[in-house]
Amino acid sequence: DAKTTQPPSMDCAEGRAANLPCNHSTISGNEYVYWYRQIHSQGPQYIIHGLKNNETNEMASLIITEDRKSSTLILPHATLRDTAVYYCIVRVWSGGSQGNLIFGKGTKLSVKP
Amino acid sequence: DGGITQSPKYLFRKEGQNVTLSCEQNLNHDAMYWYRQDPGQGLRLIYYSQIVNDFQKGDIAEGYSVSREKKESFPLTVTSAQKNPTAFYLCASSIPPGQGIYGYTFGSGTRLTVV
Repeated sequence: DAKTTQPPSMDCAEGRAANLPCNHSTISGNEYVYWYRQIHSQGPQYIIHGLKNNETNEMASLIITEDRKSSTLILPHATLRDTAVYYCIVRVWSGGSQGNLIFGKGTKLSVKP
Repeated sequence: DGGITQSPKYLFRKEGQNVTLSCEQNLNHDAMYWYRQDPGQGLRLIYYSQIVNDFQKGDIAEGYSVSREKKESFPLTVTSAQKNPTAFYLCASSIPPGQGIYGYTFGSGTRLTVV
């Protein structure tokens, strides 16, 4: 089972920031937080990952709380092309099946004009 | 350009037939994965392979088989024993867990329909 909890859906106005929350209260010290998104009928796309520090790349920012029990993915200026299902995943950095990605149902983000 | 290719994009199968879905990558990744996605659901792991000539069952392996004879290729066979094979199938590759903290690269998927 997925170790994360996300709201099933969210709306965001085009041009505004989209803030997608994720709870991972049972996260272990050696587990990273990953975010992927899946546009309809395509394969998931990697967005960003982090361990405990906030991270930023050209796509998004990841804010992880100090206790690491939750995180927020921020799309600073959402566009219509950002409409997708966003998956928050915790993944241990180790060998074997523990390192496999386990996907929950994610959050369906709808960006509206 | 490096990437991962799945073929065909759409596949129709008659009940009782086996079908094989192709997955090829030129990213030099050791690990490869097969996921199944049903409408409105997340991805579920079918099989994975962390090295050539070795593979492991995922959460829903029954009715499926795989082979990993080459690093670049990880074909999935959906057998007649899979009772509800209609789904969207996704292949992915990565550096093996434990060797790096990078994410997965996914193919564009194969949509299988039983007719």
